[in-house]
Amino acid sequence: KQEVTQIPAALSVPEGENLVLNCSFTDSAIYNLQWFRQDPGKGLTSLLLIQSSQREQTSGRLNASLDKSSGRSTLYIAASQPGDSATYLCASTGANSKLTFGKGITLSVRP
Amino acid sequence: KAGVTQTPRYLIKTRGQQVTLSCSPISGHRSVSWYQQTPGQGLQFLFEYFSETQRNKGNFPGRFSGRQFSNSRSEMNVSTLELGDSALYLCASSPDRVEYNEQFFGPGTRLTVL
Repeated sequence: KQEVTQIPAALSVPEGENLVLNCSFTDSAIYNLQWFRQDPGKGLTSLLLIQSSQREQTSGRLNASLDKSSGRSTLYIAASQPGDSATYLCASTGANSKLTFGKGITLSVRP
Repeated sequence: KAGVTQTPRYLIKTRGQQVTLSCSPISGHRSVSWYQQTPGQGLQFLFEYFSETQRNKGNFPGRFSGRQFSNSRSEMNVSTLELGDSALYLCASSPDRVEYNEQFFGPGTRLTVL
């Protein structure tokens, strides 16, 4: 059974800092890994999707990497802004076509 | 393109009642998945529909059921509601099979069971 872990559960950084959010998973037999953002009380916004054959994806200030052999993915946020404050979730898609989510990292960017 | 829409956005029911939630995927998307989000358990997979067929189901009791129509719209039904069913129910759509495609989520339906 796939388990996805995100540590720490919460993170507070000053504005302008570059930061890395970590995601680990136990079963490397995944089709892809997706990073999402969730604002309080809202749905999920897809940030980046990395297929299992890819190593990384970039979108603006965001860069996500995937290392299947070590069961790790990272989301790099450059020059963080207060508007980046949200909960960030990673999720892997396994053979049964379901997304298995981590519990998320709640990020607070201080002005 | 319009995003994924879910109706209703908020719902209050009492124990023992049943509820139907609706999800309209992005136009052209064929796959719809449903998830339950609670503070304790996080996001958990309920089921996925593709071209009107249920492809996979999560570990939820039979009180949770769903279907998909020919226009890809999907409904989820929960019968005999329990207090523990209070949650944010999210649906996600994908252009094709989820193994190879990004999933796009709707805003969710907040269900409160009293």
